[in-house]
Amino acid sequence: RKEVEQDPGPFNVPEGATVAFNCTYSNSASQSFFWYRQDCRKEPKLLMSVYSSGNEDGRFTAQLNRASQYISLLIRDSKLSDSATYLCVVNPPYSSASKIIFGSGTRLSIRP
Amino acid sequence: DAMVIQNPRYQVTQFGKPVTLSCSQTLNHNVMYWYQQKSSQAPKLLFHYYDKDFNNEADTPDNFQSRRPNTSFCFLDIRSPGLGDTAMYLCATSLPGLGEKLFFGSGTQLSVL
Repeated sequence: RKEVEQDPGPFNVPEGATVAFNCTYSNSASQSFFWYRQDCRKEPKLLMSVYSSGNEDGRFTAQLNRASQYISLLIRDSKLSDSATYLCVVNPPYSSASKIIFGSGTRLSIRP
Repeated sequence: DAMVIQNPRYQVTQFGKPVTLSCSQTLNHNVMYWYQQKSSQAPKLLFHYYDKDFNNEADTPDNFQSRRPNTSFCFLDIRSPGLGDTAMYLCATSLPGLGEKLFFGSGTQLSVL
């Protein structure tokens, strides 16, 4: 089993739709979780951190389910500019050799 | 502004010709990472430094080496690039501890011809 697995893309949805991605992780002791957005040929950029209580930033909502070991990202009222690859990132328990683990990414394409 | 800077943005090299990619940071972060990202794939960690403590991933080829002469700078040396090393190379930094977020440079797109 991969350490971090994401929904296989691509997702192709109309503008204005609501879309959700999931990401599962294998290490139950993982400490922190993030969603990054990556545009074509650009570096990943932090979209939002994911907290146990869930968090919302405008049209974006992130949830963490520790019991089932997954995180989710919900995008409401999707815009054309939301088209990108969304990367799930998981931090293992802190150690001097901490290693941040990326999921393989989910491609999202918003059509007019 | 504090940031992570990678140079050059684009690099073309010939098969077998050594190449060095550079990364600098003004964030004073303890941890620096080098990732390799090929088209349509997730970033793959090559190695990282915690201060001067070097951590190599088990599957990173010996062809890839790194140097961190001080907190601010980190270099990726590819001793004999192969065609399969064509990729985006991303440098990132973070502070250690819970909730550590990655701060990426803009990447160097390396093409091996």
